[in-house]
Parts: sequence; structure tokens; C-alpha cells
Amino acid sequence: AQTVTQSQPEMSVQEAETVTLSCTYDTSESDYYLFWYKQPPSRQMILVIRQEAYKQQNATENRFSVNFQKAAKSFSLKISDSQLGDAAMYFCAYRSVQGAQKLVFGQGTRLTINP
Amino acid sequence: DARVTQTPRDKVTEMGQEVTMRCQPILGHNTVFWYRQTMMQGLELLAYFRNRAPLDDSGMPKDRFSAEMPDATLATLKIQPSEPRDSAVYFCASGLTTGLASNNEQFFGPGTRLTVL
Repeated sequence: AQTVTQSQPEMSVQEAETVTLSCTYDTSESDYYLFWYKQPPSRQMILVIRQEAYKQQNATENRFSVNFQKAAKSFSLKISDSQLGDAAMYFCAYRSVQGAQKLVFGQGTRLTINP
Repeated sequence: DARVTQTPRDKVTEMGQEVTMRCQPILGHNTVFWYRQTMMQGLELLAYFRNRAPLDDSGMPKDRFSAEMPDATLATLKIQPSEPRDSAVYFCASGLTTGLASNNEQFFGPGTRLTVL
């Protein structure tokens, strides 16, 4: 079974600075998807960014980018120019390409933005 | 603006009562997921359906939980009888799966916060 680990329960960063959230995972599959979801206090789960394992190029979405290291099974999220609206819980998630379509989530990292 | 809707948004009930949570997936989506979020366990899958058929409900306590899709526009999650340990946020998500694989996003509803006293 696949597992996802986020080793940082909490992180904080100054507004406008850059922060990196860590995620590692365990799987025997060669093809899969990885995601970062944001959950603000409203509790809505919002997709931030996704990465297909077969792609070597790291995904980017505006201020958000990932560092995908397949051999190390590492998938970190970098937030540049942090904004107050980035404050939220961030969840790393894994999903198989075929078979079970469920998302396997890490425990989450609470990100605080200091003004 | 297509989105997943869930009702109720919040529910407070007493132990032993029946609870029914409803989800309306995005029109055209054929896969529906139920996730539960607690402080201790985090986010975990309870059940999921494809084309209204249950594919995996291994995460769901069978003695008190049941999940159904009466039609393509409605998914329900029922707890009977409810217990305090069922207190959690229950999310519904929907997506589109074609063939054996899917590279499509799962869209989450706003969740139902359940408190069992």
C-alpha cells in the first residue's frame, strides 16, 4: 500500500518570502500522480498543483512549484512571494494511474504567513 | 460554475441517531468519492463509486455506515447508529474516469462537519 509522509506539522514564513513544504511517499508503482492540496479555514480542498510521475519536468503554477525527485520519492512544494492568503493547511497526496483511483493523503502541514 | 455540493454543511446530533449526508457530483462526472477527515487519522477514503457501482468501500465500517448512489446526481452516506467517534468532516469528491485510467482531477465539495454528542 502507498503511504505519504509530511514531516513538518507546522511551518511559518514572512510575507513575500519563499517557503518549501516537504513530502515523501512510498510506492512500488512506476507511474502515478502526485498532488498538493490547500485547505484554508473554510475547509474547502483546493488543488494547488499536480505532477505526473512519468514527466521529468517539475510542475509550476504561478508562484507554486514542485521539486519532484522520483528516485528519492520526494515531492516538495515551493511557494514564492508568500501572501497572507496562502495561510492554510497543505496536503500532499498520491494517486495511482490505474486501478484504485483514491487519493492517499499525508498528515498535512499548517502554513502561517507572518505580515 | 460547476461544483460539488454537499448537504448539510454542519450537523450536530446525539449518539444513536441516524445521520444522512448528501452529495451532488458535478454533472457528467462518473466517479464519486467519500473521504473522512479527523485530527487523528487525517484524510482517509471511506468509499468510492464509478458509474454508480461501488468499487471500494473497504475504508468504511460496515456495521454502521452505508453509501449509495440512487442516481447519477446523488450520492448518500448514512450512519446508523451514530457514535461520538464518528465526529469528523466528511468530504465528497467527484471526477471523470474513462477506460481503465484517469488523469483527471477530483473536485471536492465543501464537506459536512458532523458532531455526535
